[in-house]
Amino acid sequence: QVQLVQSGAEVKKPGASVKVSCKASGFTFNSYGISWVRQAPGQGLEWMGWISAYNGNTNYAQKLQGRLTMTTDTSTSTAYMELRSLRSDDTAVYYCARDRGTLVRTYYFDYWGQGTLVTVSS
Amino acid sequence: EIVMTQTPLSLSVTPGQPASISCKSSQSLLHSDGKTYLYWYLQKPGQPPQLLIYEVSNRFSGVPDRFSGSGSETDFTLKISRVEAEDIGVYYCMQSIQLPPTFGQGTKVEIK
Repeated sequence: QVQLVQSGAEVKKPGASVKVSCKASGFTFNSYGISWVRQAPGQGLEWMGWISAYNGNTNYAQKLQGRLTMTTDTSTSTAYMELRSLRSDDTAVYYCARDRGTLVRTYYFDYWGQGTLVTVSS
Repeated sequence: EIVMTQTPLSLSVTPGQPASISCKSSQSLLHSDGKTYLYWYLQKPGQPPQLLIYEVSNRFSGVPDRFSGSGSETDFTLKISRVEAEDIGVYYCMQSIQLPPTFGQGTKVEIK
């Protein structure tokens, strides 16, 4: 069965960086993309960006450009999301999701990871 | 970016009764490829979102047939024919015709 297993919760200070991993199983990793979506406490869903596991193409949300990097390691079927220069309003649960967009852009998300809480606090 | 507006924002339903959620987009979600890029997700308490409906009206694998989606262009509806206790949570519509994909504010469904 399709599974996306994310790394554990993180606590970071303002200005630091965080890197969250998302290990995929149960499907051919490089036949899909991976999107990252975050959810601030008590708030709605915000798409952050997409990466093709086939060719490494990315789309990032404009507001996060310059602070966000998404990568994949096809040898381990793992996707990574790194967010730098963290601020308190980056505190959120971060989800990876399998994206049906494979080559050029995001499409839609059919399976989700369990989420990773990132807390940014001094 | 495209704004997605859901109504109502909360809904209290008696088990066995129907429920309906509206989602309106600020631009048409109908693409020249013939697809309409509108999706519905349910986030149950303490869980990640799960896909219910893709491209307006297609139920995702394993989704009960009491869930149905309809609509076109800018106006969309998710209907639950007979609400069950396991249907509680927050429902989100999402568009992906234009970057960035955007979600509605969410509709919280609870059981009376």
